Amino acid sequence: GENVEQHPSTLSVQEGDSAVIKCTYSDSASNYFPWYKQELGKRPQLIIDIRSNVGEKKDQRIAVTLNKTAKHFSLHITETQPEDSAVYFCAASKSGNQFYFGTGTSLTVIP
Amino acid sequence: GAVVSQHPSRVICKSGTSVKIECRSLDFQATTMFWYRQFPKQSLMLMATSNEGSKATYEQGVEKDKFLINHASLTLSTLTVTSAHPEDSSFYICSASVPISYEQYFGPGTRLTVT
Repeated sequence: GENVEQHPSTLSVQEGDSAVIKCTYSDSASNYFPWYKQELGKRPQLIIDIRSNVGEKKDQRIAVTLNKTAKHFSLHITETQPEDSAVYFCAASKSGNQFYFGTGTSLTVIP
Repeated sequence: GAVVSQHPSRVICKSGTSVKIECRSLDFQATTMFWYRQFPKQSLMLMATSNEGSKATYEQGVEKDKFLINHASLTLSTLTVTSAHPEDSSFYICSASVPISYEQYFGPGTRLTVT
């Protein structure tokens, strides 16, 4: 099955700085890679996703890059704000079927 | 957007009893739903794929006789935790895939506590 690894497990940044979270996957057949933000006790919220036919996608302060050859993808958050503090999960999937999640990154933005 | 609900949001049960959790897609039909379990400060672990009108597909290591899944309609999947034990205490989250999309929409989760 798919194995998704995520680093770092915790990340603290100063407000306004950038944050980068990295994930690797094992199954070369995976072709959909969403990123979720989860606040304590709540459902995961999709923040950005990328399909394998694209190398990069950006949405305002959030961007995701994908390297299919190396089987890794990264989340980039620029100009971080305190409300960005949460746990972030990456996931890998084959065409939106079973999602296999990374281990999560707890991001703290220090005002 | 697509909305998925879960019921109950919290449940406390005694060891040895069974608990049923419902997952509903409110504004779309979901032929496939997924069940995840999340322990505190850990990731979401896929338990099973629930297919409308057929048997669920379980991930390796998940006991199908303990976690009974029924997907009898295009808008409802249920997860029954049978003979629950304290180690089954967890946050259970369902999701539904949206037709012609790779996205999954998650329910709000059910916090199960087994005493």
